Amino acid sequence: AQSVTQLDSQVPVFEEAPVELRCNYSSSVSVYLFWYVQYPNQGLQLLLKYLSGSTLVESINGFEAEFNKSQTSFHLRKPSVHISDTAEYFCAVSDIGNQFYFGTGTSLTVIP
Amino acid sequence: DSGVTQTPKHLITATGQRVTLRCSPRSGDLSVYWYQQSLDQGLQFLIQYYNGEERAKGNILERFSAQQFPDLHSELNLSSLELGDSALYFCASSASAGNTIYFGEGSWLTVV
Repeated sequence: AQSVTQLDSQVPVFEEAPVELRCNYSSSVSVYLFWYVQYPNQGLQLLLKYLSGSTLVESINGFEAEFNKSQTSFHLRKPSVHISDTAEYFCAVSDIGNQFYFGTGTSLTVIP
Repeated sequence: DSGVTQTPKHLITATGQRVTLRCSPRSGDLSVYWYQQSLDQGLQFLIQYYNGEERAKGNILERFSAQQFPDLHSELNLSSLELGDSALYFCASSASAGNTIYFGEGSWLTVV
């Protein structure tokens, strides 16, 4: 079975500073990788995903993540965060059976 | 709007009671997932159905059961409710392997 580890449960960062949210996974098969974001009192929304092709994927709001197969990582980065980025971020992997495995989440707090 | 519809949005009930949460997946999606999210346990996978058949089972209690109907909507039944069952219950759906899963807004269950 697959597993996902999000190493940081809470990440405080000042506005306009860069941020990296770390995600590592373990799997013996090919997987698809996702980042979801959950704003307060809302459901989870897809932020970005890696299925195949270029290992660097980007979202429309400035986040990017890079698939690193050798390190089994899919870290999420943003060069300059905004207050509105304050949310819970979940890393997830899915296998060919379409079972999804989520990490425990990272709470990103952007400080003015 | 993810296209996944969950009802009811909020529910308050007493210990020992039984409730049913309903989920309508996105049009065309065959897979339905149920998750429980609480402050102390995070996001927990409960169960997955694919085209009416149970596909995977996670940390679902014996007091809980689910099913997916021929029209692909799904219901999660929670019985003999305890205070600890108070949580946000999410339904999600996806089309096939490797596809994104889309989350509903959740059903807030409060057991008093």
